[in-house]
Amino acid sequence: DTEVTQTPKHLVMGMTNKKSLKCEQHMGHRAMYWYKQKAKKPPELMFVYSYEKLSINESVPSRFSPECPNSSLLNLHLHALQPEDSALYLCASSRDLWEKLFFGSGTQLSVL
Amino acid sequence: ELKVEQNPLFLSMQEGKNYTIYCNYSTTSDRLYWYRQDPGKSLESLFVLLSNGAVKQEGRLMASLDTKARLSTLHITAAVHDLSATYFCAVDGNQFYFGTGTSLTVIP
Repeated sequence: DTEVTQTPKHLVMGMTNKKSLKCEQHMGHRAMYWYKQKAKKPPELMFVYSYEKLSINESVPSRFSPECPNSSLLNLHLHALQPEDSALYLCASSRDLWEKLFFGSGTQLSVL
Repeated sequence: ELKVEQNPLFLSMQEGKNYTIYCNYSTTSDRLYWYRQDPGKSLESLFVLLSNGAVKQEGRLMASLDTKARLSTLHITAAVHDLSATYFCAVDGNQFYFGTGTSLTVIP
């Protein structure tokens, strides 16, 4: 299995909603990442987990809350988002920290 | 912070033509990656370049790395419509630093 699976693929939420994005990989990778990507821009790093511990938090607002329940799963909890948070959210994993990244298919998020 | 610049940002080329995308970066790194992204889709890994002088080829795409010049190139040979996408380089500098991206459109 060489895939990173993300759910849901599309999400529309209001500014008062709470939702979660999920990411799963079964490649035995020890590092997992959340990126945010706006249209026609490169991905921006949000969070990095290495061996299930939060390694990097790139000054992301607290309305985004990551969670790594085990080495195969990564969640991103969303609460009270703003319209400017609408973007493609990408999960990635790598065998070890900052080795070749394998990306999931992404969640296209719209905040109304 | 490591800076990664790609040029051109936008490229429109005719089928059958050749062209090169350039990726320049600001500090020393021995690892560089090329990714392809179709609109609304995820990033697909194309090449991993791990040393000075590395050259990788897959179909109509060929990537090279010159670590002394801090330059990587992605050469497209005899372009076809299916190559239309955005191409990102990414440099390993304690984290991944993505280039600005090159949006390629191949016109029949």
